[in-house]
Amino acid sequence: EAGVVQSPRYKIIEKKQPVAFWCNPISGHNTLYWYRQNLGQGPELLIRYENEEAVDDSQLPKDRFSAERLKGVDSTLKIQPAELGDSAVYLCASSPSTGDLYEQYFGPGTRLTVT
Amino acid sequence: QKEVEQDPGPLSVPEGAIVSLNCTYSNSAFQYFMWYRQYSRKGPELLMYTYSSGNKEDGRFTAQVDKSSKYISLFIRDSQPSDSATYLCAMSLGNQFYFGTGTSLTVIP
Repeated sequence: EAGVVQSPRYKIIEKKQPVAFWCNPISGHNTLYWYRQNLGQGPELLIRYENEEAVDDSQLPKDRFSAERLKGVDSTLKIQPAELGDSAVYLCASSPSTGDLYEQYFGPGTRLTVT
Repeated sequence: QKEVEQDPGPLSVPEGAIVSLNCTYSNSAFQYFMWYRQYSRKGPELLMYTYSSGNKEDGRFTAQVDKSSKYISLFIRDSQPSDSATYLCAMSLGNQFYFGTGTSLTVIP
């Protein structure tokens, strides 16, 4: 079974430029998460989807970040415009069902550097 | 106060040592307690999970949860150089996950 796929793996952009990250979760997983992980820190939730509905986006900086999950499968996270402080690893994760969860499967992440 | 507190280390031990990693938490409603291992430039991978209090053993790894003290531990016996990684504790409430900052572990051959 394929794991969570993310692309690109690395991205270097100048500040004020837009950037997009793509995630394909494990087949059949209804819940999808986007996290941001800064160096030496744990993952911090940006947005959580259950199927195609964003059920928790309270930590998403909505002035510059947007996300979508079309048809409840793949998801895209966008930043426009990027700022220096957005440099981090962006992780996508998926879980097999809604409700009480302990299983969460992560992709390899996209390492973003904003110069 | 953060929901989950974890000593970031770094922790360095000789091969074969017993390693103890710990987290404390503030929300008594947490139900599942997880440990993730994260190698450099990789995503976290689930090592073990425990529901409510008690112990769980899987090979060289033992997870303990003490809900009365709001304290969880991961023990690694006979540590190996391949165990060198960052270990993240996590807790869940429904389908919300809360992560510690991670403890960096190096096992020296």
